[in-house]
Amino acid sequence: GAVVSQHPSWVICKSGTSVKIECRSLDFQATTMFWYRQFPKQSLMLMATSNEGSKATYEQGVEKDKFLINHASLTLSTLTVTSAHPEDSSFYICSARDTAGGNTGELFFGEGSRLTVL
Amino acid sequence: TQLLEQSPQFLSIQEGENLTVYCNSSSVFSSLQWYRQEPGEGPVLLVTVVTGGEVKKLKRLTFQFGDARKDSSLHITAAQPGDTGLYLCAGEIRTYKYIFGTGTRLKVLA
Repeated sequence: GAVVSQHPSWVICKSGTSVKIECRSLDFQATTMFWYRQFPKQSLMLMATSNEGSKATYEQGVEKDKFLINHASLTLSTLTVTSAHPEDSSFYICSARDTAGGNTGELFFGEGSRLTVL
Repeated sequence: TQLLEQSPQFLSIQEGENLTVYCNSSSVFSSLQWYRQEPGEGPVLLVTVVTGGEVKKLKRLTFQFGDARKDSSLHITAAQPGDTGLYLCAGEIRTYKYIFGTGTRLKVLA
């Protein structure tokens, strides 16, 4: 199946710094990618929809200035957590859809990136 | 606010037992997916159901989509320790956009 890769897998940073997480579709092009946040032992919460070449669409309650999303190419979306604070510590997961060639649009998920803000 | 409630939240059973996980909503979904997630990893798709009343089988797992496309169930027969994980349903609320259920954490004891 299609592969989506996230980097880094783990990141520890000091409070007040910014952290960038990358999401790449390795063997397909994705015009749309999704970013989720998952707290320990909880489900995934959709944060935003990343659209190639245009602005991301954020879910209600998600601060767009806090979580900057850039989808500059058909294979890469980035999530930047700006001025991170301990409450931003979480597991961030991206997903991408493969719709080329009549594919059904199955969502493929990255491995996730665990952010710990000290 | 659209919500997908899963029940039970937690389930601990002995190897060989059967179990059913439910996913319920007041919203109608154009499709619904089930995922399993291991700790520290992304979710992995198990199945997609599209038609109301549809039943799909994947080895010991049986998935059903409700007639009204508002709910779904996952039944596991003769559970094994390898079935341990977080099971998530996800409903398609707009084209290609899914919301996830609250999750069911399953532990199968050997």
